[in-house]
Amino acid sequence: GQQVMQIPQYQHVQEGEDFTTYCNSSTTLSNIQWYKQRPGGHPVFLIQLVKSGEVKKQKRLTFQFGEAKKNSSLHITATQTTDVGTYFCAGWDKIIFGKGTRLHILP
Amino acid sequence: GAGVSQTPSNKVTEKGKYVELRCDPISGHTALYWYRQSLGQGPEFLIYFQGTGAADDSGLPNDRFFAVRPEGSVSTLKIQRTERGDSAVYLCASSARRGTEAFFGQGTRLTVV
Repeated sequence: GQQVMQIPQYQHVQEGEDFTTYCNSSTTLSNIQWYKQRPGGHPVFLIQLVKSGEVKKQKRLTFQFGEAKKNSSLHITATQTTDVGTYFCAGWDKIIFGKGTRLHILP
Repeated sequence: GAGVSQTPSNKVTEKGKYVELRCDPISGHTALYWYRQSLGQGPEFLIYFQGTGAADDSGLPNDRFFAVRPEGSVSTLKIQRTERGDSAVYLCASSARRGTEAFFGQGTRLTVV
């Protein structure tokens, strides 16, 4: 069945540094969604990518969907303490989640 | 309501008991999803409803788990003969249609003692 894998599992960065998390699927995805979950909270939708090679930006966040629609990345420029949380990618259909990347910001 | 509502927010039950977890999706959302999340893990897919029918229940771990959505709105996740390993946060999400942005509830934290 469809599997979505994310790396790294954890990431510690100094505030102001950039951060990237990668998502890989075992199958071609119709679309991919990204969610953020703050500690103690529930997943919150960030964005959906549909087209091959698509790139979308939200302020300091850049999302990319691979040409083969089997991988995706989320890049955060100049991290801030508000970026702390776990970032999940999710494949379409049933919305199957990866295990997430937990981002810690060091002040 | 304005968002997805899950009740109760916390449930402590004894091993072997039966529990029901309720999810009120956003009005008009046809797709409804149940997930289970353990500490430090991603949400684990359990079941997906499209309208009243369970379109995919392949994530239900065994026959102790069952979910219904009789009128295509509210859904109930039912767990029989609970085990300590069932302890987790159970998340419900809804979306306007299959595969679109999903809105999550706050979850029900189930603790089996």
